[in-house]
Amino acid sequence: GNSVTQMEGPVTLSEEAFLTINCTYTATGYPSLFWYVQYPGEGLQLLLKATKADDKGSNKGFEATYRKETTSFHLEKGSVQVSDSAVYFCALTKGAAGNKLTFGGGTRVLVKP
Amino acid sequence: EAGVAQSPRYKIIEKRQSVAFWCNPISGHATLYWYQQILGQGPKLLIQFQNNGVVDDSQLPKDRFSAERLKGVDSTLKIQPAKLEDSAVYLCASSLDLATEAFFGQGTRLTVV
Repeated sequence: GNSVTQMEGPVTLSEEAFLTINCTYTATGYPSLFWYVQYPGEGLQLLLKATKADDKGSNKGFEATYRKETTSFHLEKGSVQVSDSAVYFCALTKGAAGNKLTFGGGTRVLVKP
Repeated sequence: EAGVAQSPRYKIIEKRQSVAFWCNPISGHATLYWYQQILGQGPKLLIQFQNNGVVDDSQLPKDRFSAERLKGVDSTLKIQPAKLEDSAVYLCASSLDLATEAFFGQGTRLTVV
């Protein structure tokens, strides 16, 4: 079946540091890939997505590139802010059921001033 | 545009009691999902509706969990009887159809003691 593996946290960074969160997936065919973010006390929000190989999703300074050869979708941001402190989830959708999401376990990121 | 509404936000019950959660999706959204998010894990799909029909309930523990969406709009998720391991956040999400992005509510945090 489909699965998503992402690096465990927490990841603690200083403001303006570079952030990478690794995500790899297992799925047959060509899934669509997503990063969701969960800020403290809020619901899940879609951060970015990519629907085919070599696509780059980007939003709010975050980027992730769909790499089929390595089955990866790593999230990066060049200069984090305190407001980026949140839990980040990598996810995929696949199959006839459309946009049923399979999530990774989440990575908590804490940015200190 | 109003988002996905869920209630209650928090619920504490004793084991073997019953509990129900309510979800009102974004207006016009045909597809509705219930996810279970156990602390420290990613959300896991419990059930997916398309209008008032079930698309996927393969991960729903049907001996104790039930869900309905009678008029193809609001939905309720019920647990009876609850177990300690049901302690989790229950997330509702909706999308226009099976091919488009899902939007999440803030969730209901259930604690079973």
